[in-house]
Amino acid sequence: EDKVVQSPLSLVVHEGDTVTLNCSYEVTNFRSLLWYKQEKKAPTFLFMLTSSGIEKKSGRLSSILDKKELFSILNITATQTGDSAVYLCAVHNNNDMRFGAGTRLTVKP
Amino acid sequence: NAGVTQTPKFQVLKTGQSMTLQCAQDMNHEYMSWYRQDPGMGLRLIHYSVGAGITDQGEVPNGYNVSRSTTEDFPLRLLSAAPSQTSVYFCASSYSTGGRQYFGPGTRLTVT
Repeated sequence: EDKVVQSPLSLVVHEGDTVTLNCSYEVTNFRSLLWYKQEKKAPTFLFMLTSSGIEKKSGRLSSILDKKELFSILNITATQTGDSAVYLCAVHNNNDMRFGAGTRLTVKP
Repeated sequence: NAGVTQTPKFQVLKTGQSMTLQCAQDMNHEYMSWYRQDPGMGLRLIHYSVGAGITDQGEVPNGYNVSRSTTEDFPLRLLSAAPSQTSVYFCASSYSTGGRQYFGPGTRLTVT
């Protein structure tokens, strides 16, 4: 059965820290892996990864995919309180999209 | 562009009642989907559509029906509501299958 596992489930850090969020997956016919940020409402898109080893960056956030080892990481450097959210990883398998349970990140001032 | 819109924002149903959650997008996206999100869990795919007239089941389809008569609209019907369907429901659309999805604001449904 297809599955997506995120770790840790929750994380508390202080402003300025660097965090690494993990996403491992087992799916047939992998097509893409996506990261979303969810604050109190709808998820918002961060990155889409389809090729191994190519880092995607946006400001203090970056992500990379390893298709051989079946995982992805999301890095956030110099965290800010505004980074507090649930970060969701989703893997697309043909027409099906499987989400992990998410990592709840809390950034304390 | 309004993006993805959902109505209603909140709904309370009694067990056994039926209702339709509305979803519309104005981005001419072919792919649309419905998810439910329960506490401590990620989103679970209920049904999806790759274009007008084409729908298919996702991970948790039981108790729900969908149809896609136009590119813009993708309503979700609860046939006979059960307390287990208490959840937050998100509609999403994307230009292509597996691409970046745009989410609606969600509908919080409570079944008593």
